[in-house]
Order: sequence, then C-alpha cells, then structure tokens
Amino acid sequence: SQQGEEDPQALSIQEGENATMNCSYKTSINNLQWYRQNSGRGLVHLILIRSNEREKHSGRLRVTLDTSKKSSSLLITASRAADTASYFCATDAGPGGGADGLTFGKGTHLIIQP
Amino acid sequence: EPEVTQTPSHQVTQMGQEVILRCVPISNHLYFYWYRQILGQKVEFLVSFYNNEISEKSEIFDDQFSVERPDGSNFTLKIRSTKLEDSAMYFCASSVGYGLSYNEQFFGPGTRLTVL
Repeated sequence: SQQGEEDPQALSIQEGENATMNCSYKTSINNLQWYRQNSGRGLVHLILIRSNEREKHSGRLRVTLDTSKKSSSLLITASRAADTASYFCATDAGPGGGADGLTFGKGTHLIIQP
Repeated sequence: EPEVTQTPSHQVTQMGQEVILRCVPISNHLYFYWYRQILGQKVEFLVSFYNNEISEKSEIFDDQFSVERPDGSNFTLKIRSTKLEDSAMYFCASSVGYGLSYNEQFFGPGTRLTVL
C-alpha cells in the first residue's frame, strides 16, 4: 500500500449512524492530519494527531493512531447530511521541521443518506 | 477566523503561456506550501517556503515552477510555460511553524488551472 491510503474508498450510511474511515501508511511519521473536501472545493483541516498521541477528540470527531500498525482511524459520530464529503489522511514523514510537505491518500468518499 | 485565500478561483490559459497563482497565507504563519490535485487524483506536495527561500520541493517542482513572496502578505506560484498536464487544482497552505502543532497546515480554497 502507498503512504496514506484510506479505506474504504466509498462509504454510504444513514444519517445519525457513525462513520469510520481508516488510513494506513508505510513509514514512521511526525504527525497525521485528517482533512475534508467537499466536491470541487478546498481542503478543510479537521484534526492533527502527533506520533506520541493515541487518541484525540474534536466535537463529533474521534481520531486514533496506532504507530505499531501504522494506521489511523477517523470516527464521525451521529452523522449528518452535511458530513457528505471526501475525507483524506495526510502524513508528515519528513525530517521534522516546519517545512515538511504532507503526503495525502486517495480519500474515502462518505455519503450520508437522509 | 483567519483563513488562507487564493486568487483567481479559476484560470484558463493557452499551452505555453505563463501563469501566476496568488495566495495570502494566514498572517502569523511562517511556512507556506503549494500542492496540486489533478482531477480524480491525490493531492500532491509541490514545495514549501520559509524565510524567503524554498525549504523542500518534490520531483514535480521542476524548473518551470517558481515561488515568491513579493511582499509581506502574498505568496505566488509561477508556471513559466504551461503544459496540458499542468491542468489541476492548485492549493496554497500555511502553518504556524512552531509549538506542538507546528506543521498543522491550513489550506486555501484552491485555483483551478485549465490549460488549453
């Protein structure tokens, strides 16, 4: 698999259900970030989790990081129609300075059925 | 809430022409980045910029690309002689560059470049 690869590629659930997306990566990282992108629009930053953190919460979002398995998950609880978007994980695997470029996965396309 | 802005939102150009894409990063951020996303593909890192010089660049960022911070607020990406394959969405991003979340990158809305 490539650095920052999400699964599933597409996910369709009913409004109110929880949505879980996974990301796997290959090399050691400094941090991992999740982004949302509505069709044809910009990338909205959701959450950053550092390599020494295991879990982080932000509102309805819960992110976990397992560095031993080189994987992360994004959980959206109580989904809403407005959560319909593509979700990307992006890894910072650079030397650790502020100039590190991020490596993005192909994303999970999430559809929330009303 | 401060945000990254980009202009124009859409640029159409002829092959071989020069284009300049503009970005205004978040004001207290120190690091700036350009990424691109070809339609249906991954977001790809192009270049990072700090203290008025390039910090890191990818293989994509060849001699036809250049970046500049012409004043205290703008950050530009120039493509000297556009090719059809340069058609993509170009995103600017910035990060504060210090503290625990030093590399938390915030993206602009993008410029869609169409090369004909």
